[in-house]
Amino acid sequence: EAQVTQNPRYLITVTGKKLTVTCSQNMNHEYMSWYRQDPGLGLRQIYYSMNVEVTDKGDVPEGYKVSRKEKRNFPLILESPSPNQTSLYFCASSSSLGANVLTFGAGSRLTVL
Amino acid sequence: GEDVEQSLFLSVREGDSSVINCTYTDSSSTYLYWYKQEPGAGLQLLTYIFSNMDMKQDQRLTVLLNKKDKHLSLRIADTQTGDSAIYFCAESIGGTGTASKLTFGTGTRLQVTL
Repeated sequence: EAQVTQNPRYLITVTGKKLTVTCSQNMNHEYMSWYRQDPGLGLRQIYYSMNVEVTDKGDVPEGYKVSRKEKRNFPLILESPSPNQTSLYFCASSSSLGANVLTFGAGSRLTVL
Repeated sequence: GEDVEQSLFLSVREGDSSVINCTYTDSSSTYLYWYKQEPGAGLQLLTYIFSNMDMKQDQRLTVLLNKKDKHLSLRIADTQTGDSAIYFCAESIGGTGTASKLTFGTGTRLQVTL
């Protein structure tokens, strides 16, 4: 089944404790992206990657890092999480061809205390 | 810059039609999308329309695009309780392969009552 898999789905952590949210896709998509969803703000893009070793900032990149060493994986790294990073995070991918249709993961709900 | 706006909430009765509206600001949008988010799940594509089209119909869904007014709407005929979800409008700027320029609206929560 074609899908985007994120882990963990739920995480409660404390301020300053580094964490990584993994994202993997099995569709051979070139493009991958991370979004955060907050009430009343919709989805805001954090980082995106057009292909292996090519990453760029989205609208809200502060406090996050990403890497794209392999085509299928695009982890999101929070080096020193803060409470304002409490949110619902989505990874998405799409092909470089066609209508830019994104396939989303199921989401990772992160709480930073 | 790009900005996509939607009303936050819509309530309809089962069997009625729902119309969810969206306005966008960038006239160079190439594709416009509707995504559906059910509780506890990610977003799933419902439908999309290319910017040179005025209308697209897919079973119970009708998308209308008014480029002059930068207005996009999604009509759901015979709304069912299973249609209760958050609906996101999104626009893509640029041609194919430019998914990086996707901008989402704030989402409209559709509540279907019996």
